[in-house]
Amino acid sequence: NAGVTQTPKFRVLKTGQSMTLLCAQDMNHEYMYWYRQDPGMGLRLIHYSVGEGTTAKGEVPDGYNVSRLKKQNFLLGLESAAPSQTSVYFCASSYSTSGRSLSYEQYFGPGTRLTVT
Amino acid sequence: AQKITQTQPGMFVQEKEAVTLDCTYDTSDQSYGLFWYKQPSSGEMIFLIYQGSYDEQNATEGRYSLNFQKARKSANLVISASQLGDSAMYFCAMREEFQGAQKLVFGQGTRLTINP
Repeated sequence: NAGVTQTPKFRVLKTGQSMTLLCAQDMNHEYMYWYRQDPGMGLRLIHYSVGEGTTAKGEVPDGYNVSRLKKQNFLLGLESAAPSQTSVYFCASSYSTSGRSLSYEQYFGPGTRLTVT
Repeated sequence: AQKITQTQPGMFVQEKEAVTLDCTYDTSDQSYGLFWYKQPSSGEMIFLIYQGSYDEQNATEGRYSLNFQKARKSANLVISASQLGDSAMYFCAMREEFQGAQKLVFGQGTRLTINP
């Protein structure tokens, strides 16, 4: 199993350009997440999905859109990149949680380092 | 208010010594979970250990153990017999309910350096 993969690994954009980050998982997980990590900080949730065809906003959703057309893929889009979106982006996936099933681990991809100039 | 607080921005430890990384959390939920992740210089996030709020015993995974003190709302990570490969950023995180789903809330991390 490849686990969680992300493409691309690195990208440099000019302000105003658009791009899509792709996340794929082969663990049949229901939940998928996009986080960003800025220097000196932990990860912050951008958007998430609890199943195919459903997405929801996280803590810092502005400037991003997502889609989950297939269960195994979760796409993060930047329509008009801004320097404030320079960050490392992590995708994660997990099984769904239910009741007191609290032992849920999020499996992370290797990250995408994005620079917006 | 910070939900996860890691008060040690950096720690330096001699190889083979034990090290404790501090984490305190804030929640009013009765049911929650606490995680520790390791992030080496290569950047990936590696799951280390998990503690559920209802777990009566402290979690252990090999050289890692979690010192869970529920009344004090602390979930410190203990690494026994540290190795050079333990040098990395360490993040404490808490699972919390978020709009019908679950998300992880991360602390700011502790950079651990193991000296030979």
